Amino acid sequence: GAGVSQSPSNKVTEKGKDVELRCDPISGHTALYWYRQSLGQGLEFLIYFQGNSAPDKSGLPSDRFSAERTGGSVSTLTIQRTQQEDSAVYLCASSPKRKGYEQYFGPGTRLTVT
Amino acid sequence: AQRVTQPEKLLSVFKGAPVELKCNYSYSGSPELFWYVQYSRQRLQLLLRHISRESIKGFTADLNKGETSFHLKKPFAQEEDSAMYYCAPQLPVFIIQGAQKLVFGQGTRLTINP
Repeated sequence: GAGVSQSPSNKVTEKGKDVELRCDPISGHTALYWYRQSLGQGLEFLIYFQGNSAPDKSGLPSDRFSAERTGGSVSTLTIQRTQQEDSAVYLCASSPKRKGYEQYFGPGTRLTVT
Repeated sequence: AQRVTQPEKLLSVFKGAPVELKCNYSYSGSPELFWYVQYSRQRLQLLLRHISRESIKGFTADLNKGETSFHLKKPFAQEEDSAMYYCAPQLPVFIIQGAQKLVFGQGTRLTINP
């Protein structure tokens, strides 16, 4: 079946602009995660959603970052007033209920802030 | 603070040679341990889970509680093993209703030379 999809695959934006990154998880997966992958920093957890529970936002680096998940499916990660240090690959993953370690990752969105 | 360390950013070995990718963690308690892999132009994916005690693609991972290490090993490297490898030790406290916040190491890029 279809895997996790993300859009856009690449995004170039000017410093100070807002961006929205989209994630479509695997159908039926209850948990959805966002990570950031950058050179020298490895993989960094940002946020996750599980069903109707309050999201775990503990990894969001600043209040410029926010995410929502509508209808328990699609998620959008929004970065306001982008900075050059936000440049990275943003990965989305989803997992089935009770197997949160088995995360299925999307291809990522490469964000470049100029 | 929870920390996972992969001391080698780059590792290069010859085909047929043994390979060991190091991972050390600094958690109290008994973490569950995972290795994730990202092959060139592919998505990040789960390679193996310690608790399952299985060998995946010839790789095994040994938990050493005394040294708090979870090194990934393969006795005879193959060219197709070239990839980025991430260690992800997890504590049960990070599991909320099945969702699981993965804390990744910075990764080791493994290159197998012919």
